[in-house]
Amino acid sequence: DAGITQSPRYKITETGRQVTLMCHQTWSHSYMFWYRQDLGHGLRLIYYSAAADITDKGEVPDGYVVSRSKTENFPLTLESATRSQTSVYFCASSERENYNEQFFGPGTRLTVL
Amino acid sequence: EDQVTQSPEALRLQEGESSSLNCSYTVSGLRGLFWYRQDPGKGPEFLFTLYSAGEEKEKERLKATLTKKESFLHITAPKPEDSATYLCAVHPSNSGYALNFGKGTSLLVTP
Repeated sequence: DAGITQSPRYKITETGRQVTLMCHQTWSHSYMFWYRQDLGHGLRLIYYSAAADITDKGEVPDGYVVSRSKTENFPLTLESATRSQTSVYFCASSERENYNEQFFGPGTRLTVL
Repeated sequence: EDQVTQSPEALRLQEGESSSLNCSYTVSGLRGLFWYRQDPGKGPEFLFTLYSAGEEKEKERLKATLTKKESFLHITAPKPEDSATYLCAVHPSNSGYALNFGKGTSLLVTP
């Protein structure tokens, strides 16, 4: 199906484990973004990518790693999960010419016990 | 420090009762202001981009306006399907590609 998908949709893990959240888009958009959304906060940018092999930090990058070997995929890895990383994670993508009009995925709800 | 404040936090309207949501911002320079809609359990959906004071955009029952300090999202004769959380975001001049999102206004429209 066309669009932007995230997997898994729900994940429960334990403190200290490594977790990878997947994001895939079929539009060939240049830009991709990872946000987290927590009660009491707005959406906060974790990392973004302007193109394959080009990534940069956002507002809250500590404890996260990203890669982008292919334009359509932008995985987010929590190297050693902590309880404070319990959140809903959204991936988004946008065209190079209009990078502020972002298309969001359905989100992944992550719980770290 | 760049800030985005949305008010009210929650709003309950009767169907057909028009109202406005507010987004006030403090940024060093504004590249753009954006409105998104978010339904429960889903990702935000893009609505509007505003770039300069005085600009207005419309879509169905929604109209967004922008001044130098704030933006309003006017909802005319809302319907229950307009119920959602409305998010405002700004793109400061010095932030690269990062948007600053407000916490949102949760709108409930009752029949």
